[in-house]
Amino acid sequence: GQNIDQPTEMTATEGAIVQINCTYQTSGFNGLFWYQQHAGEAPTFLSYNVLDGLEEKGRFSSFLSRSKGYSYLLLKELQMKDSASYLCAVRTDYKLSFGAGTTVTVRA
Amino acid sequence: NAGVTQTPKFQVLKTGQSMTLQCAQDMNHEYMSWYRQDPGMGLRLIHYSVGAGITDQGEVPNGYNVSRSTTEDFPLRLLSAAPSQTSVYFCASSSIDRLNQPQHFGDGTRLSIL
Repeated sequence: GQNIDQPTEMTATEGAIVQINCTYQTSGFNGLFWYQQHAGEAPTFLSYNVLDGLEEKGRFSSFLSRSKGYSYLLLKELQMKDSASYLCAVRTDYKLSFGAGTTVTVRA
Repeated sequence: NAGVTQTPKFQVLKTGQSMTLQCAQDMNHEYMSWYRQDPGMGLRLIHYSVGAGITDQGEVPNGYNVSRSTTEDFPLRLLSAAPSQTSVYFCASSSIDRLNQPQHFGDGTRLSIL
C-alpha cells in the first residue's frame, strides 16, 4: 500500500517563506510531484523530483531525499495568490498516489 | 488549446440512477485516469488506462466502470449511484514516454447523489 503524509494546514504572512513537508512509504518509486490546487479548481503541476537534492523554479523549490522517504516544497516571497492547497504525489509505474494536501493560507 | 475536457461540470442524481462522466484529451496521451476528491482524503485513483483497449483498477474502483475505445476518450460510468459517490471527479492524462511527464487535469465534475 501507499502512505503519504503532509500537514493539513499552514498559515504564513505575505512576503515570508513556508516549507511544506511530505513523507512517504510506497511500494516502488518513480518520482515525486508537487501540485497546486486553488479552491474549486483543478490541480496544476509545480515540480518533479526523482533524484536526491533541490530543484528550483523561481519562487518555488522542491527537495527530495529518497533514503528518508522525504520531500519538501519551499515557497518563497509569499503572495496572496499562493493561498491554495499543495498536493504531494508519488509516482509508481504510471500511477500517482496523492497525500491529502496541505492548505496554505497567506495573510496580509 | 483544450487539454483535458470533462463534461458535465455539475450533476445531481438520485440514488440508483446511472450516468456517464465524459473525459476527452487532445494531447495524444497514452495514459488516462479518473480520481475522486473528497474533503480530507486527497485524490484517490478509481480506474486508469495506458492505451486504447487497456484499462485497470485503481484504489477505489467499486461502483464504477470504464472503457477506452480511442486514445482521446475515457468515460467513467456510475452503474447505480449511491450517496457515498457524492464527490468531485477529476480526469487526468499524461504521456508515458518519460517518467517526469506530469499528469494534466480536467476542470472536474461536481456530482451530488441524493
